[in-house]
Formats: sequence, structure tokens, C-alpha cells
Amino acid sequence: GAGVSQTPSNKVTEKGKYVELRCDPISGHTALYWYRQSLGQGPEFLIYFQGTGAADDSGLPNDRFFAVRPEGSVSTLKIQRTERGDSAVYLCASSTLTRSSYNEQFFGPGTRLTVL
Amino acid sequence: AQSVTQPDIHITVSEGASLELRCNYSYGATPYLFWYVQSPGQGLQLLLKYFSGDTLVQGIKGFEAEFKRSQSSFNLRKPSVHWSDAAEYFCAVGSDPYNAGGTSYGKLTFGQGTILTVHP
Repeated sequence: GAGVSQTPSNKVTEKGKYVELRCDPISGHTALYWYRQSLGQGPEFLIYFQGTGAADDSGLPNDRFFAVRPEGSVSTLKIQRTERGDSAVYLCASSTLTRSSYNEQFFGPGTRLTVL
Repeated sequence: AQSVTQPDIHITVSEGASLELRCNYSYGATPYLFWYVQSPGQGLQLLLKYFSGDTLVQGIKGFEAEFKRSQSSFNLRKPSVHWSDAAEYFCAVGSDPYNAGGTSYGKLTFGQGTILTVHP
């Protein structure tokens, strides 16, 4: 079946602009996660959705970052007034979140955001 | 707070040699432990996972990992490395999605990664 997809694969923007990054999870996965991976680092957790609601947004760095998942499937990560420090690969993952799955998360290929 | 340390940033091995990638974690309860591999331009692929049971777990591509609670370690091993194993490897720790209180937690905490280079 189809895996997690993310669009666009690459996004170049200018400092101060607004961007939206999209994630299509695996069909039927109720849990959706956003991570950010800076160069030379491991992925860092941003936000976690269970269904439509954000169950844990403790990783969002500041109020310029916001994410939604209005129908419990596709999610959009929104970044306002982008800064050069926001440049990174943004990863999305989904999971069935059952005990038998051991919380295995399936990752998309990521969106590489470059802020000039 | 949970954390993961991968002490080796970069490891180089010869093709056919054995491999061990180190991972140490810090977590207050029983951890879920994972190893992921990331090839250039590719997404993260799960190699193996551990939550309970046999402390030696087998994964895909001939990899295995051993959970040692006393050492807070979950090292990844492979007896004979192939050139196609060259990639970056990440260890991650996660929480039980359903804790005693019924609240679900999902986030994974990753280590910094270990880059594996394989010489022919």
C-alpha cells in the first residue's frame, strides 16, 4: 500500500514569508507526528496528533509554528514569518498506535525547507 | 525526560567485517526502542524494535540488537556488512502509547545518528 507522502519535496522561501507543508499519512493511521531534522542531527519531535486533535505540541519551537489535521487524515504544518534558522528537513510520520504495533512510526521522505 | 546518546558520529568498516553501533538511552519507565536507517534522499526506514520479551531482537537486512537494561543500552549489530549498508543510523526511544492513566504519548526521541561508511 501507499506510504506516507509529503509535499512539496523541496521548498525555498525568503525570510519573513509564510509556508505550508503537507503530509498524507498511511490510510487508517490515527496517529500523526511531525519532526524536524536539522543538518547533522537526528529528528526532533514537533507535534503529535491523535485523530483531529493535537495531543502533544510541546516540541513546537514558538508560536510561529502551527499544525492542523482537520479531518483526522491529512495534516498541514504552517510556519509564519520564516527565519533562516527554520531551514531543515521536516518529516512526517504516522502510526496505528496500538499495543501490538509498539508505536512503530512510518516516515515520509520529508520536505526540505530552505529559508534564504 | 527521555534522551538517546549515540557516541559514535562516524564509523568506517570494510565490507564483510562485523559491525556494532552503540546506543545508550535514558528513560524512566520501560522504553520502546527502535533503530532506523536513513539513506541519502530517503526517508527513515525501521530496522527493528523492542518493547518486551527476548532481549535480542532480529530485524530486517540481517541486523540485530540487544537490549541491556543494566547498561541502558540497545546496540545494533550485523555479523557481515555489505556495501549497501552505508547510510546513517538512528537509535530512538519512545514511550508506551497507553500509559497507566489512559493518556497516549507518541513521540520518539532520536539520537544524533551514526554515519556508516563501508570500504570495499
